[in-house]
Amino acid sequence: AQSVTQLDSQVPVFEEAPVELRCNYSSSVSVYLFWYVQYPNQGLQLLLKYLSGSTLVKGINGFEAEFNKSQTSFHLRKPSVHISDTAEYFCAVISGGSYIPTFGRGTSLIVHP
Amino acid sequence: GAGVSQSPSNKVTEKGKDVELRCDPISGHTALYWYRQRLGQGLEFLIYFQGNSAPDKSGLPSDRFSAERTGESVSTLTIQRTQQEDSAVYLCASSGPGQGLTGELFFGEGSRLTVL
Repeated sequence: AQSVTQLDSQVPVFEEAPVELRCNYSSSVSVYLFWYVQYPNQGLQLLLKYLSGSTLVKGINGFEAEFNKSQTSFHLRKPSVHISDTAEYFCAVISGGSYIPTFGRGTSLIVHP
Repeated sequence: GAGVSQSPSNKVTEKGKDVELRCDPISGHTALYWYRQRLGQGLEFLIYFQGNSAPDKSGLPSDRFSAERTGESVSTLTIQRTQQEDSAVYLCASSGPGQGLTGELFFGEGSRLTVL
């Protein structure tokens, strides 16, 4: 069975500060990992994904994430956030040939001026 | 439009009534997913369609929930005899051939259901 844990329900940060949103997954087989973002009053959209290859993945809007197999983590980072990054961020995993992504509870990133 | 469309965007109903939620996927997308998001919770998988068949409906919480899909087009999620615990945002997503396994789902804005 696959599961995802997002350790922080809310992350407040000041504009231009760095941010890390944490994600840990549980799976005994190879995994595909994703981050989705949901801006206010919009649907979820894909931010970035790890399928194979380089463990450092770059996505849209300056975000990146690093796959760490030994720690079963896929933390999302941005070196300098903007007000417009305020949104809900969801980590998701697919494993074992499944077509069904399992999502975490989401982390609300709140960027203050 | 070109995106996934869901209707209604908001639905308030009384306990015990039936509701239907509709999803129009992106044209050409063969896979369609329904998820539920309760307040403060993550996305809870309900059902997955490939074409008009549902190879995985393991997430449907009870026999009050059902879903169907017409071809590779519209899907309807029906909740019979609604209960207050059914209150949630119901999200629909679709993906194109080969995209599902790589996880790129395209989501609608959701249908917010409130059961009084």
